[in-house]
Amino acid sequence: QKEVEQNSGPLSVPEGAIASLNCTYSDRGSQSFFWYRQYSGKSPELIMFIYSNGDKEDGRFTAQLNKASQYVSLLIRDSQPSDSATYLCAVNIATSGTYKYIFGTGTRLKVLA
Amino acid sequence: GAVVSQHPSWVICKSGTSVKIECRSLDFQATTMFWYRQFPKQSLMLMATSNEGSKATYEQGVEKDKFLINHASLTLSTLTVTSAHPEDSSFYICSAREWPGLAGSTDTQYFGPGTRLTVL
Repeated sequence: QKEVEQNSGPLSVPEGAIASLNCTYSDRGSQSFFWYRQYSGKSPELIMFIYSNGDKEDGRFTAQLNKASQYVSLLIRDSQPSDSATYLCAVNIATSGTYKYIFGTGTRLKVLA
Repeated sequence: GAVVSQHPSWVICKSGTSVKIECRSLDFQATTMFWYRQFPKQSLMLMATSNEGSKATYEQGVEKDKFLINHASLTLSTLTVTSAHPEDSSFYICSAREWPGLAGSTDTQYFGPGTRLTVL
């Protein structure tokens, strides 16, 4: 089982709609969860982080975390064509004194004008 | 804040040569930096974790003698690809872990802009 799973997409939504991106993870000990956006040919940029169960809102973005279900999601309201990118979910893992982030394969989002 | 730079942004080299890539945290101290590689249309693959003042921890399958990592200061880590071959051509991205984090975070990872390596 992959440690962090995402649907590769593409997920197509019309402009102005809500885009919903999902991510599941396998390590119950994970404490920190991140969403990054990556445009083609560029490096990832941080959108949001979340540590506690529930919702966290930042502008048009809302991250949702459910540790019991090992599930984290990202909602993008009023989607814009400029939101078209690959969205990466990342989870921290701390084992045997090491600390690293595990990334999902990403979900490609297309916002149609 | 939390800016990470990489240099060079792209490099073309001949097979058999070595290439050094620098990663700097510009406005924060990073005790931990990570090096990733990304092939076209694939996800980020962690190569190694670099801790300031100690040896890097390499992921399974990554040759530590080929990919030399040095993290000599709290703001600089370098990756040297030794005896590069065409199959090493990829997008190399570093990131720095900000600890403790700003803006209410306790742990955040920021990426550099990446280095595109092409080995002829």
